[in-house]
Amino acid sequence: RKEVEQDPGPFNVPEGATVAFNCTYSNSASQSFFWYRQDCRKEPKLLMSVYSSGNEDGRFTAQLNRASQYISLLIRDSKLSDSATYLCVVKNYGQNFVFGPGTRLSVLP
Amino acid sequence: SAVISQKPSRDICQRGTSLTIQCQVDSQVTMMFWYRQQPGQSLTLIATANQGSEATYESGFVIDKFPISRPNLTFSTLTVSNMSPEDSSIYLCSVDPTGGRYEQFFGPGTRLTVL
Repeated sequence: RKEVEQDPGPFNVPEGATVAFNCTYSNSASQSFFWYRQDCRKEPKLLMSVYSSGNEDGRFTAQLNRASQYISLLIRDSKLSDSATYLCVVKNYGQNFVFGPGTRLSVLP
Repeated sequence: SAVISQKPSRDICQRGTSLTIQCQVDSQVTMMFWYRQQPGQSLTLIATANQGSEATYESGFVIDKFPISRPNLTFSTLTVSNMSPEDSSIYLCSVDPTGGRYEQFFGPGTRLTVL
């Protein structure tokens, strides 16, 4: 089993739609959680960190469920510019970042 | 934050040759990492570049194939040795300025094609 797994995608949604991505991780000792965004032919960049209480940044909401070892990302009112691959990233104390396989999103006009 | 540059941005190489990729950071950082991202895939960590000591390689990657240098706290190189078409990939340098509490920053990547 991979350490970090994500919805396989791709997701093709119309502008204005709400879309949710799921991620699960296998190491119960994982301590830090992130969503990264990677545009085509670009490097990954942090979208948002994920906190235990859940957090929101504009149209983006991240949730963490430690008991289920599950992370989610919700995007509301999708824009064309949201089209990208979304990477779930997990870090354990003293260890390296582990990247999920990514979920590709295409927002269609 | 950290600003990272990589050279070259892309290259096309013949099999059997070697390519050295440079990574420069605009501030001193303890931890630097080298990743590989094959077409359509996510990032795979190759190694952690340690300043003043040997790099730490992940399973499946060896020093003979991917020698790494880390002469100071702002610079590192990754060499892809004796290349084959299977080495065609994007190679990314990254830094972790806060020791994992916050984000990693990535360089723009080096797109390598081996013929």
